Amino acid sequence: DTEVTQTPKHLVMGMTNKKSLKCEQHMGHRAMYWYKQKAKKPPELMFVYSYEKLSINESVPSRFSPECPNSSLLNLHLHALQPEDSALYLCASREGGAPQFFGPGTRLTVL
Amino acid sequence: TQLLEQSPQFLSIQEGENLTVYCNSSSVFSSLQWYRQEPGEGPVLLVTVVTGGEVKKLKRLTFQFGDARKDSSLHITAAQTGDTGLYLCAALSGGSYIPTFGRGTSLIVHP
Repeated sequence: DTEVTQTPKHLVMGMTNKKSLKCEQHMGHRAMYWYKQKAKKPPELMFVYSYEKLSINESVPSRFSPECPNSSLLNLHLHALQPEDSALYLCASREGGAPQFFGPGTRLTVL
Repeated sequence: TQLLEQSPQFLSIQEGENLTVYCNSSSVFSSLQWYRQEPGEGPVLLVTVVTGGEVKKLKRLTFQFGDARKDSSLHITAAQTGDTGLYLCAALSGGSYIPTFGRGTSLIVHP
């Protein structure tokens, strides 16, 4: 298994909703990442987990809450989002000196 | 903060033309990756280069890593409409596990 999976593929939510994004990889990678990406722009780093511990939080607003239940799973809990949070949310993983592998992303629309 | 300057930002060409995308920095990198991304999808890894002066070929795509490991180029020969997408370079330095991304090159190949 050499892929990163993400669910759901698309998500539409209101500003008062609570939802979660899920990411899974079974490559044994010990670093997992959340990125936010706007159209035709590079991914912006949000969070990094290393060995299931949060190692980097790039000053992300608290309405985004990451969670790493185990070494294969990464969640991003969403609450009280704003329309400007609409974007493609990408999960990635890597191991050692290898490059990152990205999931297909979740297209989030906040109404 | 390490900067990775990618150019051009936008490229619109006819099928059959050749093109080159550049990624430059004043920093030395241990490795550099090129990704291709289609709208609404995650970036897909095309290649990793690690050795100064390295040249890698992937069908019509040729990737070069500069001798000093500060710059890289992606050359596409006889572009096809299927090459349309966002091309991203990303680089790692030293023992860091956080890649630096270029700003991306949005390529449109017209039939």
